[in-house]
Amino acid sequence: EDQVTQSPEALRLQEGESSSLNCSYTVSGLRGLFWYRQDPGKGPEFLFTLYSAGEEKEKERLKATLTKKESFLHITAPKPEDSATYLCAVQWRGGKLIFGQGTELSVKP
Amino acid sequence: EAQVTQNPRYLITVTGKKLTVTCSQNMNHEYMSWYRQDPGLGLRQIYYSMNVEVTDKGDVPEGYKVSRKEKRNFPLILESPSPNQTSLYFCASSLSGRNTGELFFGEGSRLTVL
Repeated sequence: EDQVTQSPEALRLQEGESSSLNCSYTVSGLRGLFWYRQDPGKGPEFLFTLYSAGEEKEKERLKATLTKKESFLHITAPKPEDSATYLCAVQWRGGKLIFGQGTELSVKP
Repeated sequence: EAQVTQNPRYLITVTGKKLTVTCSQNMNHEYMSWYRQDPGLGLRQIYYSMNVEVTDKGDVPEGYKVSRKEKRNFPLILESPSPNQTSLYFCASSLSGRNTGELFFGEGSRLTVL
């Protein structure tokens, strides 16, 4: 069964404390992996697309990487405004998009 | 400003009373989709549309209807709402059906069915 699993479910960091969020998947035939940010009471906001193993994308303090079975969202020196739920979604070659359950990130000053 | 607009944002209704949640995008996107988000279950797709007059079922279509008569609009219809349809609903769009992972989401519509 195609599955997307994110870990941890929740992560609390101090401002400036770097860490990584994980998204592992078991879909066959990856077409693309997508990262989103969701603030409370808002719709998800698209961040990155990764297509193949070894690919990396960066935006401000965020860096997304992809291997054959998982993706990492690295957060370098996070600030309180980085607090949000981060969702990953995987699209397989059949076109279906599957979302993970998300990681709720809290960054304390 | 590029956006996906949903209405209403909040709605409390009773079992069996038909309702429509509207969705409109101003980006000339071909692909549109409806999701529901529930605690512990994540985002699940209800219906999607690859283009005008083309719609198809997602993972959880039971109890919902959609139509796509114009490119910009994709309303979600609950003909006879039930309490298990209490949820947070999101409409989303993308430029084309070939790139449906890069979605623009609306702000969400929180529906409570009593």
